[in-house]
Amino acid sequence: DADVTQTPRNRITKTGKRIMLECSQTKGHDRMYWYRQDPGLGLQLIYYSFDVKDINKGEISDGYSVSRQAQAKFSLSLESAIPNQTALYFCATSDSRETKLTDTQYFGPGTRLTVL
Amino acid sequence: KQEVTQIPAALSVPEGENLVLNCSFTDSAIYNLQWFRQDPGKGLTSLLLIQSSQREQTSGRLNASLDKSSGRSTLYIAASQPGDSATYLCAVSLWGSWGKLQFGAGTQVVVTP
Repeated sequence: DADVTQTPRNRITKTGKRIMLECSQTKGHDRMYWYRQDPGLGLQLIYYSFDVKDINKGEISDGYSVSRQAQAKFSLSLESAIPNQTALYFCATSDSRETKLTDTQYFGPGTRLTVL
Repeated sequence: KQEVTQIPAALSVPEGENLVLNCSFTDSAIYNLQWFRQDPGKGLTSLLLIQSSQREQTSGRLNASLDKSSGRSTLYIAASQPGDSATYLCAVSLWGSWGKLQFGAGTQVVVTP
């Protein structure tokens, strides 16, 4: 079984709808991240959480909100979806016990979201 | 703001040729640089991580170099195979921003049999 799972894997929705993307991990990591990927732009950080009570905005948080329900679960919500939020969304995890020099992130398979 | 650039955006080579992928960054105050592989329908997989004090890192056919002073990293893949076809991304972490990665846009590689 995958260590980092995302649901749904694909979603098509309409402008104005509320959407929730979910991420679960079995790696026992304390840190979790949400990224979006647009063609030709690489990955951009939306939100990150260093533990259940520590949630921070990333580069592009406008129009998004998150919830860290437990150490293993981190959800991303689009309160009122718009077409330019059409993108590939990735969840990732990391372990704060790793040193700064060797810290790496482990990614889920992604959710492809289309907003019509 | 850290800018990470990868050139070329796409690359096609015949099987057996060596691959050379480039990554440049504008802020040399990094504490590590990572190379990831992305396959369609799958997430990113970390290939190599180079610490700021290191000049290179090797794993099998992969070798990554880091030159902080010039803001460059190069990923070499020896004797390419069709299974190496994927998108390769580099990402840097800055001192003071632990856990926050800045990604390049990636290089899409196709290895033809």
